[in-house]
Amino acid sequence: DQQVKQNSPSLSVQEGRISILNCDYTNSMFDYFLWYKKYPAEGPTFLISISSIKDKNEDGRFTVFLNKSAKHLSLHIVPSQPGDSAVYFCAASPRGGSQGNLIFGKGTKLSVKP
Amino acid sequence: DADVTQTPRNRITKTGKRIMLECSQTKGHDRMYWYRQDPGLGLQLIYYSFDVKDINKGEISDGYSVSRQAQAKFSLSLESAIPNQTALYFCATSDTGWETQYFGPGTRLLVL
Repeated sequence: DQQVKQNSPSLSVQEGRISILNCDYTNSMFDYFLWYKKYPAEGPTFLISISSIKDKNEDGRFTVFLNKSAKHLSLHIVPSQPGDSAVYFCAASPRGGSQGNLIFGKGTKLSVKP
Repeated sequence: DADVTQTPRNRITKTGKRIMLECSQTKGHDRMYWYRQDPGLGLQLIYYSFDVKDINKGEISDGYSVSRQAQAKFSLSLESAIPNQTALYFCATSDTGWETQYFGPGTRLLVL
């Protein structure tokens, strides 16, 4: 059973608009969450993270929101740019659990159209 | 130069062959990881190593082995390759703040 779920395989957004990528998790032991971005033929690149003691973390155009009660997090990109077109992976870690084990979602492919 | 390099970038092999994928890093990180990604799926952890003497199995270690030759080098071996090991393989590293991992460009492996 998937512990980290990204239910939207793809998302298409117009340039300049907001992109919202969603992620749900089932394991209440997860207490640190990350977003990675992946371009074709490259490895994933760390984008932004959030600890469970926070409900929001912002870095430039990227903001991650965490709703612990709903076991849900989202990544907002504002404004979206064509260069943001990539696959975005949500990942979670049980910091106090089996160390080194990042659990990844299946990814959401974002297309930002000019 | 890339901080995390993987060789080869592409490999085709036959069922039953033993192959090795190599990973090197110049980031000076102690921790290294091997993942595989299947089409439409997320990354799954195969093995990880916190230092040269510490190697641990991940979610899907069966059919794989690893060797940590030095702090900077972590190799993944498929002892007897099978077609369902066809996948994209990524190496990653992290510092003591291990949640943030830095990935190599990947090795695309096809087992015929």
